[in-house]
Amino acid sequence: QVQLVESGGGLVRPGGSLRLSCAASGFTFSDYYMTWIRQAPGRGLEWISYISTTGAAIYYGDSVKGRFIISRDNAKNSLYLQMDSLRAEDTAVYYCARSNKWNDPLDYWGQGTLVTVSS
Amino acid sequence: EIVLTQSPDFQSVTPMEKVTITCRASQSIARLHWYQQKPDQSPKLLINYVSQPVSGVPSRFSGSGSGTDFTLTINGLEAEDAAAYYCLQTSSVPHTFGQGTKVEIK
Repeated sequence: QVQLVESGGGLVRPGGSLRLSCAASGFTFSDYYMTWIRQAPGRGLEWISYISTTGAAIYYGDSVKGRFIISRDNAKNSLYLQMDSLRAEDTAVYYCARSNKWNDPLDYWGQGTLVTVSS
Repeated sequence: EIVLTQSPDFQSVTPMEKVTITCRASQSIARLHWYQQKPDQSPKLLINYVSQPVSGVPSRFSGSGSGTDFTLTINGLEAEDAAAYYCLQTSSVPHTFGQGTKVEIK
């Protein structure tokens, strides 16, 4: 069965960095676009970034552009999110999700990993 | 960026009642999807491409609309439907979500 498992969340100070991972299994990872979405405590969903099957196409939302980098390793069935210059407003549960193409719905999501940015 | 505005933000509903949630886009879109998120769970895809239910989703859930106005309908709310519901557009990047509608059971 399709599984997406995020890891790497934790407590980090403002200005710090963190790298999230998303381990995929149960499907051919290299056939799917992957997306990061986040949800601040008690708030709604925010789309952050996607990466194409080969990594050739990448898009970021304005709130993270220039600070976050999405990447993937198809040989390891893994998606990553490098987060730098973290701010208090980046505090959220971060989810990874897959889609068939860039404009298809996100059909499977992971359980999320919590990132807390606080001094 | 396409802005999606959902209404209402919150709805308290009696079991078996009909629930209607709307999602209005700031410009015409074709790829609109609906998600359900229960407390402490990740979102689950309910309806894709406006009106196509995902396999395994109860038939009481349906979607409709076109252009800028879309609707998620729950015909005969059940207790297990207490959740937040979000619309998502994937017609253009950045993809965007509506702010969510919380449905509570009276």
